[in-house]
Amino acid sequence: SYVLTQPPSVSVAPGKTATITCGSNNIGVKGVHWYQQRPGQAPVLVISFSSDRPSGIPERFSGSNSGNTATLTISRVDAADEADYYCQVWDGASVVFGGGTKLTVL
Amino acid sequence: QVSLRESGPALVKPTQTLTLTCTFSGLSVDTRGMSVTWVRQTPGKALEWLALMDWDDDKYYTTSLKTRLTISKDTSKNQVVLTMSNMDPVDTGTYYCARTRITVPGRAGFDSWGQGALVTVSS
Repeated sequence: SYVLTQPPSVSVAPGKTATITCGSNNIGVKGVHWYQQRPGQAPVLVISFSSDRPSGIPERFSGSNSGNTATLTISRVDAADEADYYCQVWDGASVVFGGGTKLTVL
Repeated sequence: QVSLRESGPALVKPTQTLTLTCTFSGLSVDTRGMSVTWVRQTPGKALEWLALMDWDDDKYYTTSLKTRLTISKDTSKNQVVLTMSNMDPVDTGTYYCARTRITVPGRAGFDSWGQGALVTVSS
C-alpha cells in the first residue's frame, strides 16, 4: 500500500517561512492535497492538486511537488498557523493520509 | 454553501455496531461527480481513512477494516450512512464525513467537512 512520510514536527519563528514535506516514491506524478487541522477542529483543505489554493486560503500558503517529495510552504508564519498539517493522495479510489506534522510557532 | 453534519451515538458498548449519519445541506448526495468519505481520528493520532462512496454508488473501504464497514446512501434524506460492526475501545475517536469531487485532473481534495462526531467505546 502507498505510504506518505511526514516529519512529526516543525518549528518556526513568527514571520519566518515554514516548510513541511511529504515523501513517497515518485509522489511527483500524483496530485497531493494538504489539510490544516487546528486543535479541536475539523481539517481544512489548504492546497489541492499539489499547488492550487482553494478560495479563502491566504496566498501565504503554497505547494510544490516533484520527484519523491511534495512540499507545503507557509510564508510569514503567525500564531494562527500553529496546527497539524496532513498531506493526502489518492491510490486508485483509496485515500492515503500522511502521518501529520505538528507546526509549532515559537 | 454546502454543509455536512455527522450524527450518531456518543457512547457504544464493545461488540456493538456503530451507525453514523452524515446529513448534507445545500447539495444533493446524488450530485454527479461527487464522493463522500468517512475519516476517523483516534486520540492523539493521525487522520485515518475508512470508506468512500461515489455518486454512482461505487464503494471503497480501507483494507484493514473492510470486513467491519458498510457505507450507504439514503437519497430521500440526503444522507450518507456508515456502519462499523464489532466496536472495540480502540475505535474510540472522532469520526468525520467529508466530500470531494471527481474532476478532470482526477479526484480532488476534501473541500467540505463535518464538525466531527466523538464516539466512545466503553462498557
